[in-house]
Amino acid sequence: DAGVIQSPRHEVTEMGQEVTLRCKPISGHDYLFWYRQTMMRGLELLIYFNNNVPIDDSGMPEDRFSAKMPNASFSTLKIQPSEPRDSAVYFCASSGLGRHDEKLFFGSGTQLSVL
Amino acid sequence: GENVEQHPSTLSVQEGDSAVIKCTYSDSASNYFPWYKQELGKGPQLIIDIRSNVGEKKDQRIAVTLNKTAKHFSLHITETQPEDSAVYFCAASPNNNDMRFGAGTRLTVKP
Repeated sequence: DAGVIQSPRHEVTEMGQEVTLRCKPISGHDYLFWYRQTMMRGLELLIYFNNNVPIDDSGMPEDRFSAKMPNASFSTLKIQPSEPRDSAVYFCASSGLGRHDEKLFFGSGTQLSVL
Repeated sequence: GENVEQHPSTLSVQEGDSAVIKCTYSDSASNYFPWYKQELGKGPQLIIDIRSNVGEKKDQRIAVTLNKTAKHFSLHITETQPEDSAVYFCAASPNNNDMRFGAGTRLTVKP
């Protein structure tokens, strides 16, 4: 398996623009997570899905952030409009294959810079 | 919710020495404690994990210990090598999905 695949690896955009980050989880995994990593706040859980359904989005910082999972092999995290303070590395992770399998597998991340 | 504290934030050791990273957690319901290694430009990778019904687990040069009474757990790396240099994160989870991470420890192994 190729692991969790994220795109793009790097994104540079201007304040106010819409940003869409993409994730393909490991095949067969039924949980998908979006994390944000910054120097100040470390790794923060933004939202997670189970069987394509959003379960907990309490970590989503503002209404500017939204996430979808239209099918088991694809998820997006959208920021609209983007702001400089959104600059961070965004990770997607997946887990599953069983109720008690908590092992998270992370993608390589998207480095987002909002100018 | 769960709060995980990790220390030290940076650790420098000589090649061949041991390294120890410690974490504490707040939620007594947490029962799963993984450790992740993150190399530059990559996502965190699971290196070892332990569940609450076990006090210690080893995998070659890496070991993790858990003290549920005191709510702390530690990562031990023996015979460190330069390729062990990375940022290490501990985490705690009270259920399958609500995993909280420590702030990370930057380990440098000097040749």
